[in-house]
Amino acid sequence: QVQLVQSGAEVKKPGASVKVSCRASGYIFTGYYIHWVRQAPGQGLEWMAWINANSGGTNSAQKFQGRVTMTRDTSSSTAYMELSSLKYDDTAVYYCATSPVVGGGADYWGQGTLVTVSS
Amino acid sequence: QSALTQPASVSGSPGQSITISCTGTTSDIGDYNYVSWYQQHPGKAPKLMIYEVSNRPSGVSDRFFGYKSGNTASLTISGLQAEDEADYYCSSYTSSSTLAFGTGTKVTVL
Repeated sequence: QVQLVQSGAEVKKPGASVKVSCRASGYIFTGYYIHWVRQAPGQGLEWMAWINANSGGTNSAQKFQGRVTMTRDTSSSTAYMELSSLKYDDTAVYYCATSPVVGGGADYWGQGTLVTVSS
Repeated sequence: QSALTQPASVSGSPGQSITISCTGTTSDIGDYNYVSWYQQHPGKAPKLMIYEVSNRPSGVSDRFFGYKSGNTASLTISGLQAEDEADYYCSSYTSSSTLAFGTGTKVTVL
């Protein structure tokens, strides 16, 4: 069965960077896109970025451009999202999700990774 | 890219039908048939309920129906059940090759 397993919770100081991993199994990793979506406590979903797992091409929401980096390792079917210059309001649960086409629905989701930014 | 606009809350009694709207622009919903709907229960990851405006993934009840007209997409839930109580989010592909989520709607089953 399809599974996306994310790395564990992180606590970071303001100004630091965090790198979250998303290991995929049960499907052909390079046939899909990986999206990154976050949800601040008590807030709605916010789309951050996507990576084409085959080509490595990426795109991100304007508010994250210059601060977010998506990479993937096809040998281990793992996608990574690194967010730099962390601020207090980056505290959120970060999800990875997969879709067959860039604009299509994300049918499988990771369990989420809580990133807490605290001094 | 601004968030798509949804009503903050919608409620209905068991067995009734409710409709959640999702309003965008000609740069997203109005120009693409890549509208999705997600259901999220507290503490859980979102679940895809509708993709490409009106398609249901395998395993999703046919009580969930999606459609769009112009810049507005809608999700109708018929035969409302207690288990449908959750937050619902729409999403659309945009002209910038990005995605946008809606503001979210809390569905309450009275």
